Amino acid sequence: IAGITQAPTSQILAAGRRMTLRCTQDMRHNAMYWYRQDLGLGLRLIHYSNTAGTTGKGEVPDGYSVSRANTDDFPLTLASAVPSQTSVYFCASSIGKITDTQYFGPGTRLTVL
Amino acid sequence: AQSVTQPDIHITVSEGASLELRCNYSYGATPYLFWYVQSPGQGLQLLLKYFSGDTLVQGIKGFEAEFKRSQSSFNLRKPSVHWSDAAEYFCAVGDGNFNKFYFGSGTKLNVKP
Repeated sequence: IAGITQAPTSQILAAGRRMTLRCTQDMRHNAMYWYRQDLGLGLRLIHYSNTAGTTGKGEVPDGYSVSRANTDDFPLTLASAVPSQTSVYFCASSIGKITDTQYFGPGTRLTVL
Repeated sequence: AQSVTQPDIHITVSEGASLELRCNYSYGATPYLFWYVQSPGQGLQLLLKYFSGDTLVQGIKGFEAEFKRSQSSFNLRKPSVHWSDAAEYFCAVGDGNFNKFYFGSGTKLNVKP
């Protein structure tokens, strides 16, 4: 069982470019989440999805969009990357609610120049 | 406003010594409280969580945490630290009704041989 996979592992991106971070889970969890981790700030919730076909905004949604076409996949898109989006991005999933145990992927390190 | 404070950025303890990591939260209702651990270069793993019932919660890897409502605290403890416990520890507060989840800034634990 792989759990949650994220791709790419790392990426360097020019400012203004579009980028999609991929996240796939094989646990059949209903809920999925995207966080960004910045030094001294911990992890902050960007977007969430409680079930396929629905999404919601987290604490820091600006500049990011998500979609949830099916249960397994939850891509995060940066339409026009800016340097402040340099961060480590973690995808997570849980059975139902955000307060259920969340299972995290290995992360994507993104650098925007 | 909801918040989680972890006052210690770094802590160093000797192997075999006891450990206490501090966490204070601010939340309007009775929150779900969590401790997650992040090993270097990896995603987060749940150690334990609390919502109601016994205020002393047992988790994995020999960790426990105590909820003290009067102090708005949820400190993590371990009686005897192992070298493999070296990691970063995050306290978090969550609300499943409103899809809110807030992490503290983390405490990095170093273990001396």
